Amino acid sequence: DSGVTQTPKHLITATGQRVTLRCSPRSGDLSVYWYQQSLDQGLQFLIQYYNGEERAKGNILERFSAQQFPDLHSELNLSSLELGDSALYFCASSEKGLLFEQFFGPGTRLTVL
Amino acid sequence: QKEVEQDPGPLSVPEGAIVSLNCTYSNSAFQYFMWYRQYSRKGPELLMYTYSSGNKEDGRFTAQVDKSSKYISLFIRDSQPSDSATYLCATTNTGNQFYFGTGTSLTVIP
Repeated sequence: DSGVTQTPKHLITATGQRVTLRCSPRSGDLSVYWYQQSLDQGLQFLIQYYNGEERAKGNILERFSAQQFPDLHSELNLSSLELGDSALYFCASSEKGLLFEQFFGPGTRLTVL
Repeated sequence: QKEVEQDPGPLSVPEGAIVSLNCTYSNSAFQYFMWYRQYSRKGPELLMYTYSSGNKEDGRFTAQVDKSSKYISLFIRDSQPSDSATYLCATTNTGNQFYFGTGTSLTVIP
């Protein structure tokens, strides 16, 4: 158990809908990262937050957005969902001084029908 | 060109064999190199990390970085069935944005 929690575990929804994925980092970790993992693309970095502020952006679509709240939990919002958005979404967290040492949550499996 | 390239395998070896997993990367600015292990339907877990070039050993695992050729390797000695998983290499230069390989699927046969 990494100490990172993600909810829900599974999510099934329809095209065009909007969903919110939630992540709670390990106690004391200030950085939160979001990743998308699909069979053909592997693990793709989406976005990073550090202590409430956006720090880095990767291959995140405009239909996707995220935020980190004062209690350090983070949410990833996915809107206007398409079939191709079906994937595993992982959240990871890291300590202030060891930014390269990430701890991953168990993931949320999103299925868009 | 992708930032990190990794042979997807699959790789199948007998128990006790030495396993070699490899990645190449494109950007010479990358400084930190990581190996993650991912079991089916689980999140990746960090195995080892190295900074710049050189070797790092941890039990049966050895990570090697050759910056001159932009080559990353993970060696597993005395492989065990419990090592069966997907192995992901990753790199970053600032700790903000990370680039992962697509993963190599390894099966160790008892």
